[in-house]
Amino acid sequence: GAVVSQHPSWVICKSGTSVKIECRSLDFQATTMFWYRQFPKQSLMLMATSNEGSKATYEQGVEKDKFLINHASLTLSTLTVTSAHPEDSSFYICSARDRPGLVYNEQFFGPGTRLTVL
Amino acid sequence: DAKTTQPPSMDCAEGRAANLPCNHSTISGNEYVYWYRQIHSQGPQYIIHGLKNNETNEMASLIITEDRKSSTLILPHATLRDTAVYYCIVVAAGNKLTFGGGTRVLVKP
Repeated sequence: GAVVSQHPSWVICKSGTSVKIECRSLDFQATTMFWYRQFPKQSLMLMATSNEGSKATYEQGVEKDKFLINHASLTLSTLTVTSAHPEDSSFYICSARDRPGLVYNEQFFGPGTRLTVL
Repeated sequence: DAKTTQPPSMDCAEGRAANLPCNHSTISGNEYVYWYRQIHSQGPQYIIHGLKNNETNEMASLIITEDRKSSTLILPHATLRDTAVYYCIVVAAGNKLTFGGGTRVLVKP
């Protein structure tokens, strides 16, 4: 199956700093990538959808200026958490889709990045 | 996309079949039923999906009722490594996946 990687797998940072998380599709071209956030003992919550070469679409309640998403190529999307605070500590998961979803909608998920803000 | 209802948790015995129910009474004709699972601290893993017919792959079987208002994921021989949260998602082609609460499955020896 298709493989999606994330880097780093975990990161600890000080409050007020910015953190960049990379999401790569290793063996397919991802026309669309998705970013999710998951707090402990909760389900995944979709943050934003990004299509290669265009601006990301954010879900309601997600601050676009705080969570910067760049999808500059068909194999790479980045999520930058700007001015991180302890409440941003979470498990961030990306997923990628290799076709526009005309028939079905399989998304391939990365392993996740655990962010801890001190 | 249609909402789904799953039991919050269930236990099953190692080596036995695990049957995970999902209700989706408001499903539309163009919506698929997807199953993913998430092992602790990992990203979700695709299991299987279907539209109307029952489906089987190397991981599981998916049984969809004739009226499509509910489905059952069957893990034929559960192992300890199948302990995870299982998510049933109903979504139209091209739409994004949104996750509900899922069913926390604990496989016991």
